[in-house]
Amino acid sequence: AQSVTQPDIHITVSEGASLELRCNYSYGATPYLFWYVQSPGQGLQLLLKYFSGDTLVQGIKGFEAEFKRSQSSFNLRKPSVHWSDAAEYFCAVAHFISGGYQKVTFGTGTKLQVIP
Amino acid sequence: EAGVAQSPRYKIIEKRQSVAFWCNPISGHATLYWYQQILGQGPKLLIQFQNNGVVDDSQLPKDRFSAERLKGVDSTLKIQPAKLEDSAVYLCASSLGRNPPEKLFFGSGTQLSVL
Repeated sequence: AQSVTQPDIHITVSEGASLELRCNYSYGATPYLFWYVQSPGQGLQLLLKYFSGDTLVQGIKGFEAEFKRSQSSFNLRKPSVHWSDAAEYFCAVAHFISGGYQKVTFGTGTKLQVIP
Repeated sequence: EAGVAQSPRYKIIEKRQSVAFWCNPISGHATLYWYQQILGQGPKLLIQFQNNGVVDDSQLPKDRFSAERLKGVDSTLKIQPAKLEDSAVYLCASSLGRNPPEKLFFGSGTQLSVL
């Protein structure tokens, strides 16, 4: 079955430090991959997505992610974290279901804490 | 552009009672999703509509949960009777209906507490 694994439940980084959040997926075909962010009191928001082409994708708020097929990974990175980046981050994969439609399955999330 | 609207924002009920949640997606969005997010977990898809037809409800507990999307616009999710383990945030999302869904737009969610 298709699945998304985020091995880190909670990560703490200092403001200004670099960040990498890990995501591994299990899917037979070419995956469609996403990162969403859920800030306190706000709804889930798309950060970036990978469908095809360049394996390094840029998103909003200075985030980027790299698709590595050999490692079944889609890790999220940011060179310098800001206090406002404190939130919960979800990796997700779109995969085919019956009738040719696709559903989006989310990982369990990584909660990011930023310390001054 | 108006976002995905959900109501109520919060709901507290006792077990075995019934509850309903309402969602109004972004105008023109063909696909509507209901997700359940239990504290500390990622969103779990309960049901997915394409216009007013169901394309996936494999994780919907059909003995107690039901959902409909009349006229392919608004949607209602109902729980009857509720159990303690139904305490969660219920998220509605919508997308244009393309494959793959390029972006899901989420509402603020309904936080349900079952006592």
